[in-house]
Amino acid sequence: GQNIDQPTEMTATEGAIVQINCTYQTSGFNGLFWYQQHAGEAPTFLSYNVLDGLEEKGRFSSFLSRSKGYSYLLLKELQMKDSASYLCALSDYKLSFGAGTTVTVRA
Amino acid sequence: DTGVSQNPRHKITKRGQNVTFRCDPISEHNRLYWYRQTLGQGPEFLTYFQNEAQLEKSRLLSDRFSAERPKGSFSTLEIQRTEQGDSAMYLCASSVAGDGNQPQHFGDGTRLSIL
Repeated sequence: GQNIDQPTEMTATEGAIVQINCTYQTSGFNGLFWYQQHAGEAPTFLSYNVLDGLEEKGRFSSFLSRSKGYSYLLLKELQMKDSASYLCALSDYKLSFGAGTTVTVRA
Repeated sequence: DTGVSQNPRHKITKRGQNVTFRCDPISEHNRLYWYRQTLGQGPEFLTYFQNEAQLEKSRLLSDRFSAERPKGSFSTLEIQRTEQGDSAMYLCASSVAGDGNQPQHFGDGTRLSIL
């Protein structure tokens, strides 16, 4: 397996910034993906990284360091609707997911 | 709606019965994937197709599971002689072909409950 680790839960305040870390122990993958999943719904694609560095998409940014086996998803200007599970996944055509980080946004 | 469509949304059956799920991918996507997700876990890969060819199957997948994509469009996943441990959400996803960095788009899943 790829031993993909994410924190189980995080809590943040509306309007704040939260960083969700993802560590893994493999070098054999094409890219690293981040998905958002609301309870009882399908995962939806947020962002991905192939090369090291930062990718920015609106309020969401994702960072990858292959040499450190590390990625993070940054959520800015948090909104109540951002309360969800955030899944880190490695791609070698199929996706290998971590267990997800449940983010709770409080007013 | 042109997203990934899965049917049925819910299936309740008795242990030992066979069940079949259907997935209709996004029409221009030639890759189709099946995953299984249990509570508190990320989706777990089961198998995937490129067009009608099944390219990979998880080594963890029991012989009771079989999937087909006969015309390279919709796919079916069958579970024979269901067991209580098969209770899960079964997710289908599709993508265009490429270098493995094409985003996969997921359907809403079929929730299977084994009594």
